[in-house]
Amino acid sequence: EDKVVQSPLSLVVHEGDTVTLNCSYEVTNFRSLLWYKQEKKAPTFLFMLTSSGIEKKSGRLSSILDKKELFSILNITATQTGDSAIYLCAVIMNYGGSQGNLIFGKGTKLSVKP
Amino acid sequence: DSGVTQTPKHLITATGQRVTLRCSPRSGDLSVYWYQQSLDQGLQFLIQYYNGEERAKGNILERFSAQQFPDLHSELNLSSLELGDSALYFCASSVGAGGNTIYFGEGSWLTVV
Repeated sequence: EDKVVQSPLSLVVHEGDTVTLNCSYEVTNFRSLLWYKQEKKAPTFLFMLTSSGIEKKSGRLSSILDKKELFSILNITATQTGDSAIYLCAVIMNYGGSQGNLIFGKGTKLSVKP
Repeated sequence: DSGVTQTPKHLITATGQRVTLRCSPRSGDLSVYWYQQSLDQGLQFLIQYYNGEERAKGNILERFSAQQFPDLHSELNLSSLELGDSALYFCASSVGAGGNTIYFGEGSWLTVV
């Protein structure tokens, strides 16, 4: 069965800390991996990763994909209270199964304390 | 703002009733996805439409149905509502049938009392 597993499920840190969120996957016909940030409502898109070893960066956030070991990490440096959110990882497959062609992990809930 | 529009934002209704959630995808997007998110659950995929045709079906209950219209907007119909149907229902859209980033609407928060 295709699945995406995120860890940890929740994380509490203090402002200024650096965090690493993990996403591992077991899917058939992998195409790309997506990271989203969900605050109060809609998940907002962060990164799309298709190739191994190429880091994507946006400000204090960065992410990288390892297609050999089947995982991705999302790093957040110098965390701020505004980074508090649920971070979702999703994998796009080349064809759709019972979950469509996009499978989400359950998310990592990050809480940043002042 | 993702460009995906959902209405209504909030809805409270009684058990046994029927509601319709509406979604307008981003301009140019042909695919529409529906997801359900409950308090302790992740995003549960319900159904996907691409250019008016059903593309993929997930864990959608028989009491639920959806369609995508010629103007590409979509509706999710929920009937014989139960307390457990209370959740946030997201619509998302993408350009193609698969392999593209999907963008989420703000969601419709359904409370069944």
